[in-house]
Amino acid sequence: GQNIDQPTEMTATEGAIVQINCTYQTSGFNGLFWYQQHAGEAPTFLSYNVLDGLEEKGRFSSFLSRSKGYSYLLLKELQMKDSASYLCVFMDSNYQLIWGAGTKLIIKP
Amino acid sequence: IAGITQAPTSQILAAGRRMTLRCTQDMRHNAMYWYRQDLGLGLRLIHYSNTAGTTGKGEVPDGYSVSRANTDDFPLTLASAVPSQTSVYFCASSDSSGSIYEQFFGPGTRLTVL
Repeated sequence: GQNIDQPTEMTATEGAIVQINCTYQTSGFNGLFWYQQHAGEAPTFLSYNVLDGLEEKGRFSSFLSRSKGYSYLLLKELQMKDSASYLCVFMDSNYQLIWGAGTKLIIKP
Repeated sequence: IAGITQAPTSQILAAGRRMTLRCTQDMRHNAMYWYRQDLGLGLRLIHYSNTAGTTGKGEVPDGYSVSRANTDDFPLTLASAVPSQTSVYFCASSDSSGSIYEQFFGPGTRLTVL
């Protein structure tokens, strides 16, 4: 079957760095996404990895290891506005998105 | 219109009633999707459409129907609502001719079935 695991909740301090891990199981893989979702709002796209390695975009970076079924999202220089849920999503062999339940990130001053 | 719009923003509905959630996009994306989001669960795909005139079933299609008469509109209909359909519904679209398949989401419809 297909499955995604990510922590339910994490807490970090403003200005610090946090890494949100995600593991997945699937028979077919066409890429991994990270989306951000603020409470009461729609998800918005953060990153996409299809090859192994690190993709950096400003304060956010995303890493993928296809052989390990593992990804992480790294957030640097945390700001209060980064308080949100971060959704790990993979694209299966049919190009459909399979969504994790999300990690709620709480930023404390 | 800029992006994707959904209507209504929220709705309280009596069980057994018929309800249509509307979704319109102005990005000329070929693919559109309907998801539901429930507490503690990931988004679950209800129905999708890869192009105007075609639709497909997602993970949780029972009790829902869709149509795609043109590129811009993708309404979702609940023929006879039940309390288990209480959820937040998101419509999304993507340009599947691109290389990233990023999906863009509407603001959501919060539906309560009593």
